[in-house]
Amino acid sequence: DVKVTQSSRYLVKRTGEKVFLECVQDMDHENMFWYRQDPGLGLRLIYFSYDVKMKEKGDIPEGYSVSREKKERFSLILESASTNQTSMYLCASSLFTGGPRDTQYFGPGTRLTVL
Amino acid sequence: DAKTTQPPSMDCAEGRAANLPCNHSTISGNEYVYWYRQIHSQGPQYIIHGLKNNETNEMASLIITEDRKSSTLILPHATLRDTAVYYCIVRGQGSGGSNYKLTFGKGTLLTVNP
Repeated sequence: DVKVTQSSRYLVKRTGEKVFLECVQDMDHENMFWYRQDPGLGLRLIYFSYDVKMKEKGDIPEGYSVSREKKERFSLILESASTNQTSMYLCASSLFTGGPRDTQYFGPGTRLTVL
Repeated sequence: DAKTTQPPSMDCAEGRAANLPCNHSTISGNEYVYWYRQIHSQGPQYIIHGLKNNETNEMASLIITEDRKSSTLILPHATLRDTAVYYCIVRGQGSGGSNYKLTFGKGTLLTVNP
C-alpha cells in the first residue's frame, strides 16, 4: 500500500512566521504534489515536483515555495505566513507523469491556522 | 478533462450496497474514470479507476456503461465508516501542465445510517 505521511495534522502559526510543511512517501514515486483545499473552492494545486530538485508552479504558487532534495520528501514553505493561507494542505504522490493512468495518493492533510 | 455530474447527497443503510452514480456524457476515448472519497477532515482516498471495462478491487466495484457516458461506484456492504464525500473524476491528457493536477467537483455526500 502507498503511504503518504505529513508532518502535522494540525498547526497554528502567527502572521509573518515561516512555516514548513513536510511530506514523505514510501513508494518511490517520481511525482509529488502540494494542494490546498478550501470550502467552496475545491482542490487547488500549489506546486508539483516530477523529480528531485525539479518543480513546477501550479495554479496558486504565490506566497509559497517548495523543496525536494530527496525523492521521498517534498516540503512546502510559507515564507511569511498570512491569514489568507489558513487552509487544509494536502500532499500527494504518483508514479506516472500525468496522463490518464497516473493515480495520485494523498496524505492525511495538515490543517493550518494562521492567526 | 470531461465534466462530471453527481447527485449532491445520498443515504444508505448499513450493510446494504451503496450505488453512487456519475454522468460524464462528454468523456473522450482516452479518458479514464476515477473515484476518490474524502472522509471529513481527512485527505482524499483513492478508490478505483477504469477505462471501459468493469473493475473491482477490495474496496469497491466500478461499472461503466457501454457508451461510457455514465458510471456507478458500488460499495457492496456499506459501513458507517464509508460515510464520506465521493468524487467522480474523468482524467485525460491535457495541454501543458494541466494533465497532472486533480480537480474535484462537489461530489456526493454519502451518509450511511445504522
